Amino acid sequence: KNQVEQSPQSLIILEGKNCTLQCNYTVSPFSNLRWYKQDTGRGPVSLTIMTFSENTKSNGRYTATLDADTKQSSLHITASQLSDSASYICVVSRSNDYKLSFGAGTTVTVRA
Amino acid sequence: GAVVSQHPSRVICKSGTSVKIECRSLDFQATTMFWYRQFPKQSLMLMATSNEGSKATYEQGVEKDKFLINHASLTLSTLTVTSAHPEDSSFYICSARDRLGLTFYEQYFGPGTRLTVT
Repeated sequence: KNQVEQSPQSLIILEGKNCTLQCNYTVSPFSNLRWYKQDTGRGPVSLTIMTFSENTKSNGRYTATLDADTKQSSLHITASQLSDSASYICVVSRSNDYKLSFGAGTTVTVRA
Repeated sequence: GAVVSQHPSRVICKSGTSVKIECRSLDFQATTMFWYRQFPKQSLMLMATSNEGSKATYEQGVEKDKFLINHASLTLSTLTVTSAHPEDSSFYICSARDRLGLTFYEQYFGPGTRLTVT
């Protein structure tokens, strides 16, 4: 069973609207949680990184939250743009070996 | 931010031939580099971890004689797919780790290489 579960698998939103992606994890011991954006045919690009003590972090129109107690994270996209169409991957790092565990990703399609 | 490059970005080769993919960290020294494989609509799967100057550590199920990894310097790692077959066609992504503090690492990903074996 994957240690990082993302939902929904995919979603379609209209340009200008907001959306929220979810990530639940069981990775232990926990070091940090990252959200990456991956455009089709490209490598992942880091959006946010949060450690145990951080509850929220923003990067422009992207805001990530972390609840380390419930092992849940979310990524909120505000005022979506066509360029936000991509796969968003939740990645959790372990603190003992820094190995990354990847979620399957949420594919976001923004339509005009 | 740190940049990781890959070359080539896409390659088409005939079945039975070998293909080499290069991964470079452009503005930092990476003692550890990672190679991932990604199939359509799936997430990244770690193939192997390479440390500069030592043998790579392969994940379970990855054939080390088929996927040769060399990490000859702190800025360069290569993946050679030997005797490629159509089932090796995939998107290969490298990643390089940069140490940011005593206990914190950042991992930067390359743009990927699309391999098609005909």
